[in-house]
Amino acid sequence: AQTVTQSQPEMSVQEAETVTLSCTYDTSENNYYLFWYKQPPSRQMILVIRQEAYKQQNATENRFSVNFQKAAKSFSLKISDSQLGDTAMYFCAPHFNTDKLIFGTGTRLQVFP
Amino acid sequence: DSGVTQTPKHLITATGQRVTLRCSPRSGDLSVYWYQQSLDQGLQFLIQYYNGEERAKGNILERFSAQQFPDLHSELNLSSLELGDSALYFCASSGTAGNTIYFGEGSWLTVV
Repeated sequence: AQTVTQSQPEMSVQEAETVTLSCTYDTSENNYYLFWYKQPPSRQMILVIRQEAYKQQNATENRFSVNFQKAAKSFSLKISDSQLGDTAMYFCAPHFNTDKLIFGTGTRLQVFP
Repeated sequence: DSGVTQTPKHLITATGQRVTLRCSPRSGDLSVYWYQQSLDQGLQFLIQYYNGEERAKGNILERFSAQQFPDLHSELNLSSLELGDSALYFCASSGTAGNTIYFGEGSWLTVV
């Protein structure tokens, strides 16, 4: 079965600091895609970053970057220079060939001033 | 703005009733996904359509059904509503496999 695990239900970080959210998954597939979504209090689902499993290079989007380790089936999200607006629920979501996103249970991130 | 449009944004209805949620995907996207998010819960996959055909099915209740029309918009029908069906229902769309999946703003359903 394909599963995804986010082991940190809640995290907090001070403004301007760096925080890493972890995600592990299980699949027997070789080619797939991985996403991180952010859900702020407005409940909108916002794409943060995307990674193709066939690419060795880790994806980066401004202050957001991933550490993708395919063999370990790990896909962590690093947020640098945290801002108050980063306060949100973060979901790791692999997209396997079953053609649907599987969401983790989420990590609630609180950024403090 | 993700380009995915959902209506209505908010809906309050009584138990036993039936409602229809509508989704217009991003221009050119052939896949439509429906997800349910209850209060303080993760996202549960309900169903996916690709170019009018059902592609994948999750834990969708028999009281729920969906379809995708020739113009690619989709509707999620919820019937015999129960209090526990109160949730935020998301529609998402994507192009070909592996393309980024973009979410609409969701439809808030409250069953009283």
